[in-house]
Amino acid sequence: DTEVTQTPKHLVMGMTNKKSLKCEQHMGHRAMYWYKQKAKKPPELMFVYSYEKLSINESVPSRFSPECPNSSLLNLHLHALQPEDSALYLCASSRLLSMKEDTQYFGPGTRLTVL
Amino acid sequence: GENVEQHPSTLSVQEGDSAVIKCTYSDSASNYFPWYKQELGKRPQLIIDIRSNVGEKKDQRIAVTLNKTAKHFSLHITETQPEDSAVYFCAASRTNFGNEKLTFGTGTRLTIIP
Repeated sequence: DTEVTQTPKHLVMGMTNKKSLKCEQHMGHRAMYWYKQKAKKPPELMFVYSYEKLSINESVPSRFSPECPNSSLLNLHLHALQPEDSALYLCASSRLLSMKEDTQYFGPGTRLTVL
Repeated sequence: GENVEQHPSTLSVQEGDSAVIKCTYSDSASNYFPWYKQELGKRPQLIIDIRSNVGEKKDQRIAVTLNKTAKHFSLHITETQPEDSAVYFCAASRTNFGNEKLTFGTGTRLTIIP
């Protein structure tokens, strides 16, 4: 399996809802990332997990809560979001074994709409 | 932190001609420079990358050049085809064993005119 998968593909939620985004990879990669991408903009890094530990949090509001239950799975828990949080949420992974193993591979994304 | 500038923001090229997209970066410690292609509604896909110990890399119709002194790198696409139409992002990062931060350029919308 050479892909990063994400579910769901689309999500519509109200501002009082709690939902979760899921990302999975079976490539043996040990670093996983969450990015947020607004229309016509580049991806913006939110979180980095390396060896299942949170290594970077780019000052993301607490209404976004990441979780890495194991080396293949990455979740993003959403609570009390705002309409401006509507965006494409991308997951990525990289191998993380040596200097030449930091190439990041992206999943297809979850398109989130907050009403 | 790192800052990556990308030009042009839009580029229209006749099919068969070449396209060049340029990026500059600010952090002299950056040592990894990937290029991603993103079609509408799709994921960013890595098309080519280069590391700081190499000045040029080529893969069929795609090539990337790096000038470390000027902190400048460019994407060259030759013999363009309609399927090359997409948004292209350059990026830069510094290898940090799990703490890599990819900083993206603002993107170039490439349109290939048949």
